Amino acid sequence: AQSVSQHNHHVILSEAASLELGCNYSYGGTVNLFWYVQYPGQHLQLLLKYFSGDPLVKGIKGFEAEFIKSKFSFNLRKPSVQWSDTAEYFCAVTPPSNRDDKIIFGKGTRLHILP
Amino acid sequence: DVKVTQSSRYLVKRTGEKVFLECVQDMDHENMFWYRQDPGLGLRLIYFSYDVKMKEKGDIPEGYSVSREKKERFSLILESASTNQTSMYLCASSLGVFSYEQYFGPGTRLTVT
Repeated sequence: AQSVSQHNHHVILSEAASLELGCNYSYGGTVNLFWYVQYPGQHLQLLLKYFSGDPLVKGIKGFEAEFIKSKFSFNLRKPSVQWSDTAEYFCAVTPPSNRDDKIIFGKGTRLHILP
Repeated sequence: DVKVTQSSRYLVKRTGEKVFLECVQDMDHENMFWYRQDPGLGLRLIYFSYDVKMKEKGDIPEGYSVSREKKERFSLILESASTNQTSMYLCASSLGVFSYEQYFGPGTRLTVT
């Protein structure tokens, strides 16, 4: 079945560690890709997005993601995490030919940063 | 900034009650969405609407209905609430065709006892 897979359900890191959260999707054709973040007690918000162009995308708060078409992947990275990055992260994809802005979300990765 | 508001942050209802969850967006967006969010399952689309009075089923529409009488307002209705509908409900909106980015409300945590 067509889907979005996030490799880790729960990640625990110490401050200043490097972060990489995996995301793979199974749709063929042109897709748009997103990472959303939900901080504790806050609403879901967009971290970064890829529509076309440079496959390395910069987002807010020092996050970046790389689109690798051949691997159907869109992994999220940050060189040095902070305690305030503790949150749940969702990878999301718009299926091809999607006129209605539907987004398919992964199941999420809970990131816990130890101070 | 786009603002999406939901009528309640927390709601407790009894089994069998009819429940209304309201969502309002203030940016003249064409599309609106209702999701439920459950631990380990991510966000699952219940219904969406791309125009006033238009609605389409998402992935898990059973037990739910929706209403969109005005462009800015999208209501989710649980006709007869059941305990397995205890969840966090998120509303979102997006600008229109092929704009893709969705803006989310704060969520309503519904408990059905």
